[in-house]
Amino acid sequence: AQSVTQLGSHVSVSEGALVLLRCNYSSSVPPYLFWYVQYPNQGLQLLLKYTTGATLVKGINGFEAEFKKSETSFHLTKPSAHMSDAAEYFCAVSEGNDMRFGAGTRLTVKP
Amino acid sequence: DAGITQSPRYKITETGRQVTLMCHQTWSHSYMFWYRQDLGHGLRLIYYSAAADITDKGEVPDGYVVSRSKTENFPLTLESATRSQTSVYFCASSEVGTRRETQYFGPGTRLLVL
Repeated sequence: AQSVTQLGSHVSVSEGALVLLRCNYSSSVPPYLFWYVQYPNQGLQLLLKYTTGATLVKGINGFEAEFKKSETSFHLTKPSAHMSDAAEYFCAVSEGNDMRFGAGTRLTVKP
Repeated sequence: DAGITQSPRYKITETGRQVTLMCHQTWSHSYMFWYRQDLGHGLRLIYYSAAADITDKGEVPDGYVVSRSKTENFPLTLESATRSQTSVYFCASSEVGTRRETQYFGPGTRLLVL
C-alpha cells in the first residue's frame, strides 16, 4: 500500500525567501503524485500533479515540484515566498481508487 | 457554477445521536469521496462511491454509513456519534476514478461531538 511522509509539520520562511516543502512516498506501482493547498476554513485545491512524462512539474501560483524516483521524493518549491502563500500543504500519492495524504505542512510567511 | 457544496458547515451534537452530513456536486462526476481531517493525520478516506448505488470502504469506515441514490448527492451518516468522530469532514469528487485524476473538494463540515 502507498504512504506519504511530509517532513516538518511547520515551516516558516521570510517573504521573498525560497519555499521548500518535503515529501517522500512509498508505492508498489509507479506513483501518481499530487500537491494540494488548503487555505484557512476552505477545502483543498490542487497545486500540481505528476502522472507521467516530465519529472519537473509546474503548478499554480509559481510552485513547482520534481519527481525523483531514486529518492522516492516529490518536494515542492517556490523561489520567492509571498504572504498569500501562508496555508497548509498536503502531498498525496494515488494508487487505485485510494489517494493517501500526508499529515500536512503548515507554511508561515513572515514579513 | 456551484461546484461541490457541503452542509451543514458546522455541527455540534451529543454522543449517541445520529448525524447526517450532506454533499452535493453539480459536475455530474462519477466518483465521490468522504474524508476526515485530524491533526497529525492529514486526510483519511472514509468511504467512496464510483457511481450511483456503488459504494466502498476506505481506510477508516467504522461508525459511518453512506448512500448514493443520485449521482450528485453523497450523504455521510454517523449512526451513533462518538467523541472520537469529532473532526473536519471533507467531501470530494472526481470525473473518473483513474489514479491520475484530480479530486475537487468541498469547503468541509466541522463536527463537534460532546
